[in-house]
Amino acid sequence: AQSVTQLDSQVPVFEEAPVELRCNYSSSVSVYLFWYVQYPNQGLQLLLKYLSGSTLVKGINGFEAEFNKSQTSFHLRKPSVHISDTAEYFCAVRKTSYDKVIFGPGTSLSVIP
Amino acid sequence: DADVTQTPRNRITKTGKRIMLECSQTKGHDRMYWYRQDPGLGLRLIYYSFDVKDINKGEISDGYSVSRQAQAKFSLSLESAIPNQTALYFCATSDTTYYEQYFGPGTRLTVT
Repeated sequence: AQSVTQLDSQVPVFEEAPVELRCNYSSSVSVYLFWYVQYPNQGLQLLLKYLSGSTLVKGINGFEAEFNKSQTSFHLRKPSVHISDTAEYFCAVRKTSYDKVIFGPGTSLSVIP
Repeated sequence: DADVTQTPRNRITKTGKRIMLECSQTKGHDRMYWYRQDPGLGLRLIYYSFDVKDINKGEISDGYSVSRQAQAKFSLSLESAIPNQTALYFCATSDTTYYEQYFGPGTRLTVT
């Protein structure tokens, strides 16, 4: 079965420091990859997505992610975080031949002033 | 106005009661989903519907049922609520190509 692993359940980081949130998935076939963000007391919204083409994908709010097919990873990065980035981040994967999206367990990012 | 709306936003109910959560969307998508979010478990799919006549079980459908009343409306029912159904419930829609998900604001359900 397809699975998505987010290795860090909680990531505390100081304001203006860089951050990387890790995501690995189990699939040997073509995939579509997504990162969603959930701010407190809100629904999820799309941060960025990889569908095809360039492996470096840029999203909203200064986030970017890199698709690494050989390592089956899609790590999310931001060079300098703000307090407003405090949220839950979910990685999601869909095999191109599959009719559902699988979500990871989430990483809680806490930005410390 | 929000593209995907959910009602109610919060609900407290007692064990054994029937409860319905409603979802409406204005995105014009055929595909709609119900997810459950629990801390540390991420989102788990309860049911999904690819059109009005096509409803499918997800990974945790036991204890739940759904109704797709129209392209824009997808309801989730708990026939006899139990405490371990206490969770945050999300409705979502998606396109038909990449399945990019568009989420509602969520319903926080507490079963006492």
